[in-house]
Amino acid sequence: KAGVTQTPRYLIKTRGQQVTLSCSPISGHRSVSWYQQTPGQGLQFLFEYFSETQRNKGNFPGRFSGRQFSNSRSEMNVSTLELGDSALYLCASSFLVSGTGILSVNTQYFGPGTRLTVL
Amino acid sequence: LAKTTQPISMDSYEGQEVNITCSHNNIATNDYITWYQQFPSQGPRFIIQGYKTKVTNEVASLFIPADRKSSTLSLPRVSLSDTAVYYCLVGDQYNNNDMRFGAGTRLTVKP
Repeated sequence: KAGVTQTPRYLIKTRGQQVTLSCSPISGHRSVSWYQQTPGQGLQFLFEYFSETQRNKGNFPGRFSGRQFSNSRSEMNVSTLELGDSALYLCASSFLVSGTGILSVNTQYFGPGTRLTVL
Repeated sequence: LAKTTQPISMDSYEGQEVNITCSHNNIATNDYITWYQQFPSQGPRFIIQGYKTKVTNEVASLFIPADRKSSTLSLPRVSLSDTAVYYCLVGDQYNNNDMRFGAGTRLTVKP
C-alpha cells in the first residue's frame, strides 16, 4: 500500500506571497492532520480534517487554512507568508474506525513533508 | 489532553538496551499511548502503541504499569541507525488526531 505523499517536497517563496501544499493520504484513510515543525518550536499541530470537515484546530493564526476533498486528499494554504513560516510541514493520515463497545485504535502515518523556505 | 514528560536526551552505545520513560499522570480512561521515531528532515514513524501491560513488536517493547501514569519504550540492542528523536503521545482513540507532540527524547547511539 502506498504511503502518504506530499507535494511539493521543497518550496521557496518570498514574504507576502501565499503557498498551497498538498497531501494525499494512504488509500482508505479518512483523516488528515497537518503539522508544522521548526527547530525552535518542534512539532506543532495545525489542524485535522475528517470527511471534508475540520475537526480540530491548533493555535495558529488565520493565515493558515486547509481543506479536504471528497477523496480525502487535503491541501493547506498559508497566505501573506512571513519569515517565521519557514518550516517543515508534515501531513499525517489515519483510519478512523467507530466501534460499538470495542476500543478502536488509531495510528498516524506521516508523509515525508514539504520544506518551505520563506526569503 | 494528557500532557507527557520525557527526558530531553539520552546517550547509549551500540548493542545496549535503551529504555525511555514517559510520564503521563493525567492519562484518561480512553487514552492510548503511542511512540514515534523521527529522523532529521523526515516525518515521524510509528513504533509501537499500547493501552496497558506490555506490548512487543519486531522493533520495540512498551511497558505500561497498572496505573498507566507512565510508560517505558524499550529498544533492544540499539545500533547507530537508532539515533533519532523519540516522541511519546497519549490520546483518545476517537479523537487522537489532535495530538500534541512534546519535545521528544533525542537518543544518540555511539559506536
